[in-house]
Amino acid sequence: AQSVSQHNHHVILSEAASLELGCNYSYGGTVNLFWYVQYPGQHLQLLLKYFSGDPLVKGIKGFEAEFIKSKFSFNLRKPSVQWSDTAEYFCAVMSSGTYKYIFGTGTRLKVLA
Amino acid sequence: DGGITQSPKYLFRKEGQNVTLSCEQNLNHDAMYWYRQDPGQGLRLIYYSQIVNDFQKGDIAEGYSVSREKKESFPLTVTSAQKNPTAFYLCATRDRGRADTQYFGPGTRLTVL
Repeated sequence: AQSVSQHNHHVILSEAASLELGCNYSYGGTVNLFWYVQYPGQHLQLLLKYFSGDPLVKGIKGFEAEFIKSKFSFNLRKPSVQWSDTAEYFCAVMSSGTYKYIFGTGTRLKVLA
Repeated sequence: DGGITQSPKYLFRKEGQNVTLSCEQNLNHDAMYWYRQDPGQGLRLIYYSQIVNDFQKGDIAEGYSVSREKKESFPLTVTSAQKNPTAFYLCATRDRGRADTQYFGPGTRLTVL
């Protein structure tokens, strides 16, 4: 069965620290990969996505992610976090055959000012 | 103003009653989805629909039902057969033109007393 694993459930960082959130998935077919973010009190929104081409993708607010096919990973990175990055982050995989999405359990990031 | 509307924001029901959650979109997207969000479990797919008059079960469809009579609307009924219905319910659409990015509504928090 398809699954998505996010290894860090809670992360606390100080402002200006670097961030890396892990995401691994299990699926043998073609997938699209996403990171979504849910800021406190707001809708879930897209941070970045990968569907083909350059495996290093850049998203909003200085976030980037790298798709490593051999490792089934799509880790999210940001060189220097800000207090406003405090949110919950979800990794998601969509099977291009079924258009069904599988989400990870989420990572709650708290950035201390 | 394009978007996804879910109403009401908070819903209370007595145990044993069926309840229907509304989801309306004016984004002109064909595909719509229902998720359930529980703390520490991420988003889990309940039902999804790629086109009017067609829908598929997701990973946790038991105790739920849907209909898709119009492109704009995808209501979810939580039946009395759902053993643990208290949760936050999210409706989403899929945009084929943007690499299958999902757009999410604000959610409905259902509490069954």
